Amino acid sequence: DGGITQSPKYLFRKEGQNVTLSCEQNLNHDAMYWYRQDPGQGLRLIYYSQIVNDFQKGDIAEGYSVSREKKESFPLTVTSAQKNPTAFYLCASGTVPSYEQYFGPGTRLTVT
Amino acid sequence: AQTVTQSQPEMSVQEAETVTLSCTYDTSENNYYLFWYKQPPSRQMILVIRQEAYKQQNATENRFSVNFQKAAKSFSLKISDSQLGDTAMYFCAFMKPLGGKYIFGTGTRLKVLA
Repeated sequence: DGGITQSPKYLFRKEGQNVTLSCEQNLNHDAMYWYRQDPGQGLRLIYYSQIVNDFQKGDIAEGYSVSREKKESFPLTVTSAQKNPTAFYLCASGTVPSYEQYFGPGTRLTVT
Repeated sequence: AQTVTQSQPEMSVQEAETVTLSCTYDTSENNYYLFWYKQPPSRQMILVIRQEAYKQQNATENRFSVNFQKAAKSFSLKISDSQLGDTAMYFCAFMKPLGGKYIFGTGTRLKVLA
């Protein structure tokens, strides 16, 4: 089955620790995206990548980092510099020309 | 900068009835794409419908249709014959071609009542 996988579904970390969220897709999509979802705020773009070895900051990139070494994979690292990391994180992939995005099931990160 | 506004935080509808969710956006672009996504309690985002701005005809997908008013910058979603499984958050989104980024609204929580 083609799709996007995110792991783990729930993640718990202590404050001050970096944590990496996994996102893998087998849809052969060029573009991949990371969003953060908080209650009442919709989805906000953290980073996106339209091609391997290239990525751009979204609207709330501070405290996050990404890499895109393979077409299938776009991991997100939440660093200790992110002031309020507890949130639901969604990964998506998409392709031109439809511009439709396909989402993974999400990871709920809790930092205490 | 583009913005997307969903002015109805919550709505409810009786099963089998019709409901319309509102979305307005602000852009100076002439060519762009608009989307409605559904997020049920599982939190899995699902594409509902898509509209290209250069197409005058409103998009339709089974029970879901849009009313796209380009001059008014309005993109409402109509759900006909509402079903319990339509209960979800609905997000409107805007995308400028080649820009690579979606702009999402804050969502409308729809509850379908039995």
